[in-house]
Amino acid sequence: GENVEQHPSTLSVQEGDSAVIKCTYSDSASNYFPWYKQELGKRPQLIIDIRSNVGEKKDQRIAVTLNKTAKHFSLHITETQPEDSAVYFCAASPNTGGFKTIFGAGTRLFVKA
Amino acid sequence: DSGVTQTPKHLITATGQRVTLRCSPRSGDLSVYWYQQSLDQGLQFLIQYYNGEERAKGNILERFSAQQFPDLHSELNLSSLELGDSALYFCASSRNVGGSSDTQYFGPGTRLTVL
Repeated sequence: GENVEQHPSTLSVQEGDSAVIKCTYSDSASNYFPWYKQELGKRPQLIIDIRSNVGEKKDQRIAVTLNKTAKHFSLHITETQPEDSAVYFCAASPNTGGFKTIFGAGTRLFVKA
Repeated sequence: DSGVTQTPKHLITATGQRVTLRCSPRSGDLSVYWYQQSLDQGLQFLIQYYNGEERAKGNILERFSAQQFPDLHSELNLSSLELGDSALYFCASSRNVGGSSDTQYFGPGTRLTVL
């Protein structure tokens, strides 16, 4: 069935460094790729998304890249801050059939001050 | 605040019991999605309703059922509860039917504890 693999499961960086989280999806019909940030005990919140007609999107310190041929997409956070510490989920959603959104397993990011 | 509301916030019950979780989508949103998140786990998609009709189904157990009412609020019914059903249950809503035209906004979740 459809699957989204996310790596790494845990990432620890020093404040000010960059963090990169990578995801791979299996369903070639996927064409919408959101990223969510979830702080402890809180709801997942959308931080950035990308659609299949775009290869890269940037919003301040956050950027997402998409390689549809390789079925890879990545989240890049630059100049990390302690408040970036959270669990990040990638997801892939097809534009056909049941529109199921499949989430990756999550990456726990620690930003050390 | 995403505009999606869920009640109750916490629920503690015993094995074998039945509970109902409620979700109200953002104003104007037609789709409601249900997810299960067990401790330190990812988000497991359960089911989606669009404008009152089931649209997509994920890994939802037969003991679980859901519906979306004419006012677009949704309920998730969990029956014959087991210890393993203890989790955070999120509802999300989106404007349309889903896919690349939509963004899902999550509610605060209901934490279910089965003792």
